[in-house]
Amino acid sequence: DTAVSQTPKYLVTQMGNDKSIKCEQNLGHDTMYWYKQDSKKFLKIMFSYNNKELIINETVPNRFSPKSPDKAHLNLHINSLELGDSAVYFCASSQDAGGTITDTQYFGPGTRLTVL
Amino acid sequence: GNSVTQMEGPVTLSEEAFLTINCTYTATGYPSLFWYVQYPGEGLQLLLKATKADDKGSNKGFEATYRKETTSFHLEKGSVQVSDSAVYFCALIRRGSQGNLIFGKGTKLSVKP
Repeated sequence: DTAVSQTPKYLVTQMGNDKSIKCEQNLGHDTMYWYKQDSKKFLKIMFSYNNKELIINETVPNRFSPKSPDKAHLNLHINSLELGDSAVYFCASSQDAGGTITDTQYFGPGTRLTVL
Repeated sequence: GNSVTQMEGPVTLSEEAFLTINCTYTATGYPSLFWYVQYPGEGLQLLLKATKADDKGSNKGFEATYRKETTSFHLEKGSVQVSDSAVYFCALIRRGSQGNLIFGKGTKLSVKP
């Protein structure tokens, strides 16, 4: 009965490869997010989707492309991986977006990406 | 712009000591405020939240009060346990921001027996 799940948990790959991280939520939420946590533990939003529509697209390289096949899934595809992409990527979901009381975001366990 | 500033860590305490982790924020309008906790090797869990001035969030013995006059949301616990060792993140969402959760840099807490 995991609320927000991500696969894989660990991902080790070579520079230049293309990889995807999958996220699924079973909370019935409308909005899903991707965050990046760097080596100093700093967390920053990358993208968010509301009902399969992109609503936040922070300044990230266009090698990163989110895809939302349905409301319960938000996958992150990364092309031409670079050393600096090494980080922990967290998926999250919330009931809605916009700063209302229901905006608590629930996080997945994270995917640790290591680019060699 | 909107930002969250947390006290630098790491913080090392003995079991049963009193804990305060300072958090101040800058935001337009009136944000919702959150504390998240990240235990070693795990994802983030919501610890507590407050959505308007003077609200107090509380959970697992932790408390934080939304202080609009000092733009602060300090985290406190009267008696910490070894199991509280984790990284604590203060965060805000500004209303109308489409859910952009802005985090502080995190404060690592280590509790020794």
